[in-house]
Amino acid sequence: EAAVTQSPRSKVAVTGGKVTLSCHQTNNHDYMYWYRQDTGHGLRLIHYSYVADSTEKGDIPDGYKASRPSQENFSLILELASLSQTAVYFCASGQNANTEVFFGKGTRLTVV
Amino acid sequence: QQKVQQSPESLSVPEGGMASFNCTSSDRNFQYFWWYRQHSGEGPKALMSIFSDGDKKEGRFTAHLNKASLHVSLHIRDSQPSDSALYFCAASGINNYAQGLTFGLGTRVSVFP
Repeated sequence: EAAVTQSPRSKVAVTGGKVTLSCHQTNNHDYMYWYRQDTGHGLRLIHYSYVADSTEKGDIPDGYKASRPSQENFSLILELASLSQTAVYFCASGQNANTEVFFGKGTRLTVV
Repeated sequence: QQKVQQSPESLSVPEGGMASFNCTSSDRNFQYFWWYRQHSGEGPKALMSIFSDGDKKEGRFTAHLNKASLHVSLHIRDSQPSDSALYFCAASGINNYAQGLTFGLGTRVSVFP
């Protein structure tokens, strides 16, 4: 089964601090995604990438950066964490844009 | 406006009963539809895809797509307690190909004994 591993699984961050969420996939997939899940908002796309060393903005990129140093790894960076960024973050990978997307187990981020 | 809309927000169904819920899209770019299921504390997992008009059956799950109206439905026959979860409809299209899936807000299904 396709594997997407996120770390850490949970984190408490201080307002204004820097947060890095990591994602690693062993599926040999080209596409990787970062989603945010909030109650009442479903899953919203933050950033995505379809090739190493390149990232694209999704629907809600403000306040987030992404990095794809290799096909396997995709990071989400919050340079200045804010209270409004408290949420559950999911990383996902897919073979191409219209095939099944495989999700990690999520990172619960709490900004205090 | 939400591009993928789901209804109802939640429903309860007795064990062994039929659960049915819906998804519509306002974006005619969307051509490919998926149903994902998320159990508490886990990531979403794909249940099935439907790309053509009509019905698609996989075990106890049947999806129906009407491309003309961009309406998709999912029906769960003989519902089990393990079917209690959040169900997402997701869509992708031709114009925003690389962006992958756009998700609805979900329908929460509770199966009671």
